Amino acid sequence: NAGVTQTPKFQVLKTGQSMTLQCAQDMNHNSMYWYRQDPGMGLRLIYYSASEGTTDKGEVPNGYNVSRLNKREFSLRLESAAPSQTSVYFCASRTDWSSGNTIYFGEGSWLTVV
Amino acid sequence: SQQGEEDPQALSIQEGENATMNCSYKTSINNLQWYRQNSGRGLVHLILIRSNEREKHSGRLRVTLDTSKKSSSLLITASRAADTASYFCATDGNNDMRFGAGTRLTVKP
Repeated sequence: NAGVTQTPKFQVLKTGQSMTLQCAQDMNHNSMYWYRQDPGMGLRLIYYSASEGTTDKGEVPNGYNVSRLNKREFSLRLESAAPSQTSVYFCASRTDWSSGNTIYFGEGSWLTVV
Repeated sequence: SQQGEEDPQALSIQEGENATMNCSYKTSINNLQWYRQNSGRGLVHLILIRSNEREKHSGRLRVTLDTSKKSSSLLITASRAADTASYFCATDGNNDMRFGAGTRLTVKP
């Protein structure tokens, strides 16, 4: 049981390049999330998916797209990276209400856009 | 804007002292959760308190919730150096969990 796994761990991109952050969870959770965390700050929600086949915008969706490929996987895509997207990205999944509504986080992906 | 706001932003105490962190939020919630983040790591769930609960305990943690004031507090008793981390509150309105900016706690040995 690996929990939430996200790749890559580290990535350097040039401005204008595209990339996809991959996330998978093996806990059979319905809800999955992508957050970004800038230095010294809290997490800001980019996109979330309440169930397979649905996605919704969070606080800071501009410049990002997501795909809920199946129940396990939720990917985040940067189509044209910008320096403002330099951040640490966290994927997360959540248990349902009856199981405590707890969020489980991946270990983070450090992205630098130069 | 973020839903939860923690206060203080930073807190430094001696080992053995108690640490209190506060969280204020803006809209109605189903529950409020506290998470901990060690430097360079993901967040780890500490405790959840539902909107119809006023106080909850878990080991050295005590959480209170005042829905009339839209605020919560996290108390860590008898702190240890290993408690050094950032602490975040998270509010759950519907499916989108929102986090505050966190309190950076430093416990000096």
